[in-house]
Amino acid sequence: EVQLVQSGAEVKKPGESLRISCKGSGYSFSTYWIAWVRQMPGKGLEWMGIMYPGDSDTRYSPSFQGQVTISADKSISTAYLQWSSLRASDTAVYYCARRGDGYHAFDPWGQGTLVTVSS
Amino acid sequence: QSVLTQPPSVSGAPGQRVTISCTGSSSNIGAGYDVHWYQQLPGTAPKLLIYANTIRPSGVPDRFSGSKSGTSASLAITGLQAEVEADYYCQSYDSSLGGSVFGGGTKLTVL
Repeated sequence: EVQLVQSGAEVKKPGESLRISCKGSGYSFSTYWIAWVRQMPGKGLEWMGIMYPGDSDTRYSPSFQGQVTISADKSISTAYLQWSSLRASDTAVYYCARRGDGYHAFDPWGQGTLVTVSS
Repeated sequence: QSVLTQPPSVSGAPGQRVTISCTGSSSNIGAGYDVHWYQQLPGTAPKLLIYANTIRPSGVPDRFSGSKSGTSASLAITGLQAEVEADYYCQSYDSSLGGSVFGGGTKLTVL
C-alpha cells in the first residue's frame, strides 16, 4: 500500500525554527514528486511547492518562495518542510502529497501536521 | 482570491443531483491542463476523487463524475446521501504561476 505518514503536531513560538517530515512507503520514493499543501484554519488548500527526491529539483509557489524550504532524504524516503523563523500566520495544517505519473493529480495524501505558532 | 473559482457552497436533498463548477482562465484550464477533484471530509486529509477531468480512481463510486469544457470544469454528484457532505476542491496547473493551483473549495450540504 502506498502511504505517506507525517510527523506529529507542533506548538512553537514566533521566531522559532521548525522542520516537519513526510515518510513515504510502498513505492519508489525517489521517482515521484512530493508536494506540500497548506490549509489555514477554516480555509482552503494552497499549493506551496514540490520536489523530486531523485535529483532534488524543487519548485515553489510565488506565495511561499523564500518563506519555507522543501527538502528530502531519499535514503530514508522522507520529505521535509522547514521554517527558519515562524510567524503566527504560519499556524495551519500542512499536508504532503504524492504527484502521480502522467496525470499530475495528488494521491495519496499524508494525514496532515498541525503547526500552531503562538506566544 | 483563488486562481480557480468555485461556489462557496451548494446543497441538495437526499437522492438529488448537484454540480460544482470550477472556473479558470487561459493560463490553466483553458490552456488544456487537466483538472482534478478532491473530497475533504470533516477533520480528514483530502482524497482524490476525479483525475484527468473525468477519470475515477479505483474505489470511487460512479455517483461522482467530472467534465471539462473551455476554461471550466464541473463535478457532478448524483444520489445525494449524508455521507457525501464534505468540502470539494478542484486543482489544475497554471503556466503563469509555474505550479499547481486549487480552487477555493465548495462545501456540500445534504438537506
